[in-house]
Amino acid sequence: EPEVTQTPSHQVTQMGQEVILRCVPISNHLYFYWYRQILGQKVEFLVSFYNNEISEKSEIFDDQFSVERPDGSNFTLKIRSTKLEDSAMYFCASSDPGTRLNEQFFGPGTRLTVL
Amino acid sequence: RKEVEQDPGPFNVPEGATVAFNCTYSNSASQSFFWYRQDCRKEPKLLMSVYSSGNEDGRFTAQLNRASQYISLLIRDSKLSDSATYLCVVSGDSSYKLIFGSGTRLLVRP
Repeated sequence: EPEVTQTPSHQVTQMGQEVILRCVPISNHLYFYWYRQILGQKVEFLVSFYNNEISEKSEIFDDQFSVERPDGSNFTLKIRSTKLEDSAMYFCASSDPGTRLNEQFFGPGTRLTVL
Repeated sequence: RKEVEQDPGPFNVPEGATVAFNCTYSNSASQSFFWYRQDCRKEPKLLMSVYSSGNEDGRFTAQLNRASQYISLLIRDSKLSDSATYLCVVSGDSSYKLIFGSGTRLLVRP
């Protein structure tokens, strides 16, 4: 069964450093998403991406964040200058909007720890 | 009012029990509805989409009441492996972003 993959599984970084989180969405999917979940809190939407551009972003997704699809398979989230409060699980998801309900499938996540 | 509201639980039930979770959502224009399950420190996994007429998948039954903006999930014959957090999720009126509830924790005991 096709699945979303993410690397690394755990990233530890110093405050102020840049991090890039990587995702390989399901191959025939066209919509890609990033969500985050701070420990003990609910899952929050960050950004959606379609046709090589951002289609929607939340208030969390400020100028420190960017997304890119550098090639035909990878989808990345970059945080330019990490803050302590960026520590969270970051989930990538993908969907095929051709399906009736646009069901989204999540990767296993990257645990980001900012020290 | 929270966008998606759920009873946090935990619901502690014996194996074989029937358990029901409820959820309310605030945006009446929401179009798509889902139940996901999340195991500790893992990703949300799609359990089932919720259709307007209600739908069943094995031991799981989901219902949607648009007038009351209410979604439910019924689990029959609970298994130990059903222990998890169940997330009520809605998708916006003109948006594909998912809006998650905080989840209801289920513990199934032997």
